[in-house]
Amino acid sequence: KAGVTQTPRYLIKTRGQQVTLSCSPISGHRSVSWYQQTPGQGLQFLFEYFSETQRNKGNFPGRFSGRQFSNSRSEMNVSTLELGDSALYLCASSLWTGAYEQYFGPGTRLTVT
Amino acid sequence: KNEVEQSPQNLTAQEGEFITINCSYSVGISALHWLQQHPGGGIVSLFMLSSGKKKHGRLIATINIQEKHSSLHITASHPRDSAVYICAVSSFGGSQGNLIFGKGTKLSVKP
Repeated sequence: KAGVTQTPRYLIKTRGQQVTLSCSPISGHRSVSWYQQTPGQGLQFLFEYFSETQRNKGNFPGRFSGRQFSNSRSEMNVSTLELGDSALYLCASSLWTGAYEQYFGPGTRLTVT
Repeated sequence: KNEVEQSPQNLTAQEGEFITINCSYSVGISALHWLQQHPGGGIVSLFMLSSGKKKHGRLIATINIQEKHSSLHITASHPRDSAVYICAVSSFGGSQGNLIFGKGTKLSVKP
C-alpha cells in the first residue's frame, strides 16, 4: 500500500500571500489530521477531519482552515501568511477516528519571507 | 507546565547500550503514542498503547496508567537508532487526532 503523500514538499511564499497544502491518506483511511512543527513550539495539532467533517480544531487563528473530500484527501489553507507560519506541516491518516494508529506523511516545509 | 513531559531532552549513548526515555503526562488519556523522527522530518509511529507493555524488535514500550508514566526502551542500541523520539497522548474523551506532544528526546548513538 502506498503511504501518506503530501504535496508540495517545499514551498516558499511571501508574507500576506495564501497557501494550500494537500494530503492524500493511505487507501481506506477515513481520518486525516494536520500538525504544525516549529523549533520553538514543537508539534501542535491543527485539525482533524473524518468523513468530510472537521472533528477537532487546535488553538490556531481562523487564517488556518481545511477540508476533506469524499475520497478522504484533505487540504489545508493558510491565508494572509505571516513570518511565524514558517514551519513543517505534517498530515497523518488513520483507519478511523478513535484509538487507531496514525501514519504520517513526509511533510510540507513552508518558508514565509 | 506542559501536559506531556519527556526526559531526558538529549541523550548520547555508545553502540550496544540499553537506553530508556521517559514520558510523564498530566491529563487523562485514551492512548499514548511513541513516535520517531529522523532528520529531514519524517515521523514514524513506533507504538500506540493504552496499558501494559508492547515489544517490537529491540524496542519496548511500557505504560503505567495509575502513575501517568510511560517508558521507551531500546536494547542493544545502534547508530541507526539516532533520531528524535516523541511521546504523544490522546486525551480521554477527545478524538485520537487531537494529539498532545512532548518536546522530544534527541538520541545520538555513537559507534
